Amino acid sequence: SQTIHQWPATLVQPVGSPLSLECTVEGTSNPNLYWYRQAAGRGLQLLFYSVGIGQISSEVPQNLSASRPQDRQFILSSKKLLLSDSGFYLCAWSVGIQAFFGQGTRLTVV
Amino acid sequence: GQQVMQIPQYQHVQEGEDFTTYCNSSTTLSNIQWYKQRPGGHPVFLIQLVKSGEVKKQKRLTFQFGEAKKNSSLHITATQTTDVGTYFCAGYWGTSYGKLTFGQGTILTVHP
Repeated sequence: SQTIHQWPATLVQPVGSPLSLECTVEGTSNPNLYWYRQAAGRGLQLLFYSVGIGQISSEVPQNLSASRPQDRQFILSSKKLLLSDSGFYLCAWSVGIQAFFGQGTRLTVV
Repeated sequence: GQQVMQIPQYQHVQEGEDFTTYCNSSTTLSNIQWYKQRPGGHPVFLIQLVKSGEVKKQKRLTFQFGEAKKNSSLHITATQTTDVGTYFCAGYWGTSYGKLTFGQGTILTVHP
């Protein structure tokens, strides 16, 4: 069966520090991969999506970047975190239309 | 760009009352999906609607897709405390490799 792993679950980072969140998918090939961010009590904002290795589409200009070095690996990064980067980050995958989400990473920038 | 507007943003109900959330797109959708996110959790797929005028039921949940495939609703009959969470719709227009656009979600609280 297909599973999605996202880590870490929680993260507290100082302003100006780098960030690397990793997401891996098992049990499927060539999935569409997504990074979403959710502010507290708010909706889902699509940050990046990828349809294949090395193919990244950015939805909004921001302080973050994404990479897909392998078919089932999606990485969200930042060189210098801002306070406004705090939030709940969710990785998701789809083959076809339905999306499956990881457990999420709760990032607090202090 | 393509957007899905979802209302209301918040809904507080007494246990046993009904609840409805609505989603609207300005352009015709290929399909619409509904997800539920429990407090502290991640969104989980509930259902997908594809056909014009489609109605689907899951126990106390009724999902509708408008005739023009531009709007959808989720109705919960006789809410229970287990229904608390955020309900999202997600629209798909048949382009962009399956990329979904989520509504802002409706946060449902149920008072016992």
